Amino acid sequence: DGGITQSPKYLFRKEGQNVTLSCEQNLNHDAMYWYRQDPGQGLRLIYYSQIVNDFQKGDIAEGYSVSREKKESFPLTVTSAQKNPTAFYLCASRERGGSLEQYFGPGTRLTVT
Amino acid sequence: GQQLNQSPQSMFIQEGEDVSMNCTSSSIFNTWLWYKQEPGEGPVLLIALYKAGELTSNGRLTAQFGITRKDSFLNISASIPSDVGIYFCAGQLTGTGNTPLVFGKGTRLSVIA
Repeated sequence: DGGITQSPKYLFRKEGQNVTLSCEQNLNHDAMYWYRQDPGQGLRLIYYSQIVNDFQKGDIAEGYSVSREKKESFPLTVTSAQKNPTAFYLCASRERGGSLEQYFGPGTRLTVT
Repeated sequence: GQQLNQSPQSMFIQEGEDVSMNCTSSSIFNTWLWYKQEPGEGPVLLIALYKAGELTSNGRLTAQFGITRKDSFLNISASIPSDVGIYFCAGQLTGTGNTPLVFGKGTRLSVIA
C-alpha cells in the first residue's frame, strides 16, 4: 500500500535536547511538507521541499531544521532553540506539477518537558 | 502568509441534520481541497476540485468550486456521529506554480446523537 509513515506516534523529550521526527513516503512524490498543529489550531507550515537536496522555509521555520537527501524521506529536527516545541507534527507530500492533491501522514505528537 | 477564511469555526448539530461550511478569500484559486481530521490523526483528503463551478460528491459529502474562484463550499447531508472531526479547506493560488497550499483554520463539527 502506498502512503506516508511517520514515526514514532508519540515522542517525549527533555527540554534542551534536539529530536528528529521521521517522515517516509512511497508515493513517488517530489514535494514534501512539514506542518505544526497546536491544540484547537490550524496547520502552520514549517519547511517544505520540492525536490531532493532542496528545501525552503515555511511560516514558522525558526528552531527547526530539515534535510532531503532521498526522495522518499524528509526528516524534521526540532532543535533546542525552538521555544515551544510541544505540538502535533504532520508530514505531507504531493506530486510536483500535475495533480495538486496533497496527502498527510498520521502525525507525531511531541511532548517536551 | 495568505489566509483562507473558513466558517463557521465550530458547529454543533443533531444527528440527521445537513451541514454546510465554506471557505472564502480575496484571491483567486485554481484548486480547492477539502480534508477531514479526526482526533490524533492526520487530515484525510475528502474531495478535490479543479474547475470553477465544479460540483463533486463523495458519498454524503458534496463540495463546490465557486464561480468566482475565490470560494468553495462543503455540504454534508444526513450527518452521523462518525462525521465528528475538524474539516479543513485548502487551496492553490492561481499563478503560484508549486508553492505550498493555503489552509483554512478549520471547522470543528460535533454531532449530537
